[in-house]
Amino acid sequence: DAGVIQSPRHEVTEMGQEVTLRCKPISGHDYLFWYRQTMMRGLELLIYFNNNVPIDDSGMPEDRFSAKMPNASFSTLKIQPSEPRDSAVYFCASSLHSFNEKLFFGSGTQLSVL
Amino acid sequence: RKEVEQDPGPFNVPEGATVAFNCTYSNSASQSFFWYRQDCRKEPKLLMSVYSSGNEDGRFTAQLNRASQYISLLIRDSKLSDSATYLCVVGRGGTYKYIFGTGTRLKVLA
Repeated sequence: DAGVIQSPRHEVTEMGQEVTLRCKPISGHDYLFWYRQTMMRGLELLIYFNNNVPIDDSGMPEDRFSAKMPNASFSTLKIQPSEPRDSAVYFCASSLHSFNEKLFFGSGTQLSVL
Repeated sequence: RKEVEQDPGPFNVPEGATVAFNCTYSNSASQSFFWYRQDCRKEPKLLMSVYSSGNEDGRFTAQLNRASQYISLLIRDSKLSDSATYLCVVGRGGTYKYIFGTGTRLKVLA
């Protein structure tokens, strides 16, 4: 089992540029989550999907952030335009369809916006 | 007030010591509780779920106190390899929204 796969591992970009983060969940998992982690705020839930449908995006900080899940094996998180305060580690996680199931995290994308 | 609060630490303890962490949550409708472990520059991984009756996994014991809205993690006979950040996670009732605390950092010293 390959686990949750995220790409890229590191992204360095300049303010104003578009950034796209990618995630492949574990096959068979119905739920996909995007989290952002910073020293000050810890892990924050941005959005989660169930069967490719966005269920709760109340954690998305502003309109510059968008997420899609076109199929069960792929999701993207896009930031356009990026700002220095978006610098963080972005984690994707997936879980099975039952409540109380554990989250499996990807290795994360370290984003630095200069 | 944050929905899930933890003492950030660090807790510096010698090998073999017993150490305990607490975590408080504000949403009384919370229904699921977990402890995750995160090593430096790595992703969080589930350590254990926390059940109403309390549960134990080897050297680790987790407790839930619904009346006071806190969960705890006890580590006995600490090992150097236990050094990590321990994240308290609370699931909101009826949703799949898992809220993470900011973590408690543990350093086990030789």
